[in-house]
Amino acid sequence: SQQGEEDPQALSIQEGENATMNCSYKTSINNLQWYRQNSGRGLVHLILIRSNEREKHSGRLRVTLDTSKKSSSLLITASRAADTASYFCATVGEYENKLVFGAGTILRVKS
Amino acid sequence: DVKVTQSSRYLVKRTGEKVFLECVQDMDHENMFWYRQDPGLGLRLIYFSYDVKMKEKGDIPEGYSVSREKKERFSLILESASTNQTSMYLCASSLLWRGAYEQYFGPGTRLTVT
Repeated sequence: SQQGEEDPQALSIQEGENATMNCSYKTSINNLQWYRQNSGRGLVHLILIRSNEREKHSGRLRVTLDTSKKSSSLLITASRAADTASYFCATVGEYENKLVFGAGTILRVKS
Repeated sequence: DVKVTQSSRYLVKRTGEKVFLECVQDMDHENMFWYRQDPGLGLRLIYFSYDVKMKEKGDIPEGYSVSREKKERFSLILESASTNQTSMYLCASSLLWRGAYEQYFGPGTRLTVT
């Protein structure tokens, strides 16, 4: 069963623009994680935000978490062609012991 | 850097064959996972293991089994491959459980069952 649902399903922007992806989930969580997957490859962990945190930064990435709305957003600033990939949010439920992934957002950055 | 390797990038098997997918991690992680990835469905957990010889079913274990005889190696077995098992298979490992830490993924095995 999918916990996280990403929005939009696909996003196309110009190099240098910001990209925002959203994730909504259904149940209480322990933490929420974002992963990137380049075409046909394995996933790479980007950032983890715990349920008691509201915002985290890592380089050009900014993640916010709103537990009252059961949603998170991933912002990539000053995007580059190399950011072209699929982005997945994954949640760990409060009483669960596994990651549950959404279907992902496909980001295309045009140079 | 954590390295997770999978035995094959591409694999083509016939219906009814027994298929072994191997995964090895080099960071002494306790936990290892097998997922399958299908378009529009994201990643779905097949099985995971939190210790040698320990395993637990994920969301879609039917038609699969696993083996973990050594800490660094986690194998996924398709006892009798079927066409609906055509998919991308991803292995992952992590240091601690309760989902508290990130997972490290291998490059994936794209399996086609004909």
